[in-house]
Amino acid sequence: EAGVTQFPSHSVIEKGQTVTLRCDPISGHDNLYWYRRVMGKEIKFLLHFVKESKQDESGMPNNRFLAERTGGTYSTLKVQPAELEDSGVYFCASSQDGLHNPPLHFGNGTRLTVT
Amino acid sequence: QKEVEQNSGPLSVPEGAIASLNCTYSDRGSQSFFWYRQYSGKSPELIMFIYSNGDKEDGRFTAQLNKASQYVSLLIRDSQPSDSATYLCAVNDYGGSQGNLIFGKGTKLSVKP
Repeated sequence: EAGVTQFPSHSVIEKGQTVTLRCDPISGHDNLYWYRRVMGKEIKFLLHFVKESKQDESGMPNNRFLAERTGGTYSTLKVQPAELEDSGVYFCASSQDGLHNPPLHFGNGTRLTVT
Repeated sequence: QKEVEQNSGPLSVPEGAIASLNCTYSDRGSQSFFWYRQYSGKSPELIMFIYSNGDKEDGRFTAQLNKASQYVSLLIRDSQPSDSATYLCAVNDYGGSQGNLIFGKGTKLSVKP
């Protein structure tokens, strides 16, 4: 079984540019989550999709961040325009039925650097 | 502000010893508790979860939960050099959706041969 895959693995952009991160969850997993880790800080929740619907977007930092999951399969997270403080590692995770058996499976992350 | 606190370490133990990792959390409503292992540059990997007070054992790993004290720990018996990694404690945000986890910053464990 393929795990959660994320593209790209690294991205370096200039302040003010746009970046789109992609996540392919484990096949059949309805729940998809985005997290990020800013340098020196803990991993923080951004949002949760159930299929194509946003279940919880309480962690999205501001309206420069837009997440979509058209068709309930892969998801994209767009940052427009990017700011320096957006630098960090963005993780995607998926699960079949939420917190219970199995819990979250994480991808390897996208390391975003905004210069 | 809901928080999960962990000693950042590094925690250094000799091979074969017991490693004890601790975590406290602020959200008294949290119901689910997780331990993830993260090797440098890799994704977090779930190694244990616990929902009820007491101990839960899985191989060399034992998770312990005390909700009254808002404390969760992970014991690793017969520690191996391959256990050297950062261990992340996470609890569910009771006010959020399932999978809305609050993470600690992690404890770096080093097992010396």
